[in-house]
Amino acid sequence: GAVVSQHPSWVICKSGTSVKIECRSLDFQATTMFWYRQFPKQSLMLMATSNEGSKATYEQGVEKDKFLINHASLTLSTLTVTSAHPEDSSFYICSAREKNTEAFFGQGTRLTVV
Amino acid sequence: SQQGEEDPQALSIQEGENATMNCSYKTSINNLQWYRQNSGRGLVHLILIRSNEREKHSGRLRVTLDTSKKSSSLLITASRAADTASYFCATDKGYQKVTFGIGTKLQVIP
Repeated sequence: GAVVSQHPSWVICKSGTSVKIECRSLDFQATTMFWYRQFPKQSLMLMATSNEGSKATYEQGVEKDKFLINHASLTLSTLTVTSAHPEDSSFYICSAREKNTEAFFGQGTRLTVV
Repeated sequence: SQQGEEDPQALSIQEGENATMNCSYKTSINNLQWYRQNSGRGLVHLILIRSNEREKHSGRLRVTLDTSKKSSSLLITASRAADTASYFCATDKGYQKVTFGIGTKLQVIP
């Protein structure tokens, strides 16, 4: 199947700093990318959907100014957690799809804010 | 909101036994995927079954899909301790977001 690469796989940052997570589709053009968040022992909750070249659509309750999403090319989307706080510590996973094909998931990024 | 719901939420079995997990969903789908997640780790894609398929096999895994009942099941045969993980179903309409169920936590006792 198609490959979606997420980087970094884990990151520790200080409170107040910003962290950028990358999501790349390696062998297909990702017209749409999705970002999910998973709290411990819970399921994955969709944060936002981004289409290449457009602004991301955020789910209800997700702060767009805090979680900046950029999908500037057909193979790369980034999620930047701005002014991170300990409550932002979580597991973040991206997903990508090419037009009306199935979606593929990255391995995830574990963010710990200290 | 969650589209799929896995059942049971937790399952504990002895090594060698079969494990069956179910997933129910609410709206029509293009395909349904099953994922495994070890504690604190990323998702591992197990199997994808399309809406026009009824059953699919992959090694010790067997997945069924009943679109009339909007349900799917994942069977792991001859379970091993290494199968201990959380299992999620994810429903895909083909053009919208993929929605995850709440997951089944499987424990295989050696």
